[in-house]
Amino acid sequence: EIVLTQSPGTLSLSPGERATLSCRASQSVSSSYLAWYQQKPGQAPRLLIYGASSRATGIPDRFSGSGSGTDFTLTISRLEPEDFAVYYCQQYGSSPRITFGQGTRLEIK
Amino acid sequence: EVQLVESGGGLVQPGGSLKLSCAASGFTFSGSAMHWVRQASGKGLEWVGRIRSKANSYATAYAASVKGRFTISRDDSKNTAYLQMNSLKTEDTAVYYCTRHVAAQADYWGQGTLVTVSS
Repeated sequence: EIVLTQSPGTLSLSPGERATLSCRASQSVSSSYLAWYQQKPGQAPRLLIYGASSRATGIPDRFSGSGSGTDFTLTISRLEPEDFAVYYCQQYGSSPRITFGQGTRLEIK
Repeated sequence: EVQLVESGGGLVQPGGSLKLSCAASGFTFSGSAMHWVRQASGKGLEWVGRIRSKANSYATAYAASVKGRFTISRDDSKNTAYLQMNSLKTEDTAVYYCTRHVAAQADYWGQGTLVTVSS
């Protein structure tokens, strides 16, 4: 089973700052199979990034994804107030088919 | 507009059964893989399982934590996916989301339905 470990657990930043979120896999993950989601309180998750670096429809270009192999990164270039949320990485593999990281909470400093 | 609407959640006793539904609209349901993901209160996301399309033989797969107890099915004539949950445990208490998958990612999510397993 591929385990995804996200760091940090909580990130405290101010609007306008740059956020860098990490997702590390226990085994190599195909870049095609790595996605990032955003979840706000009381809402379902929303797809942000797929294929490690492609933005989903309607996602602002301040969100970007990068990485390969076992190390992946979600970067938010300039934080807007609506970006403070929990972020999850997800991989698609063989068994189990899908695993998620434990999440990074991005909070206002 | 794509919509996924879950229903069927509620309170059930340990050992009991419950069947969730996910009504889809706004896309070609019959050609889409449908997944279920759950989230316990204050916790992260856990994949439950998936069912592929008719073209992929309606193949199913499940997380180890639910295999043998949960069954995913679909009715393409009704644009609806189902999650039959048997032998429920207290640790199955969660919000259950259905998702549409394209390739390796969930591009649409329902609003979720709460399942509470408690005596």
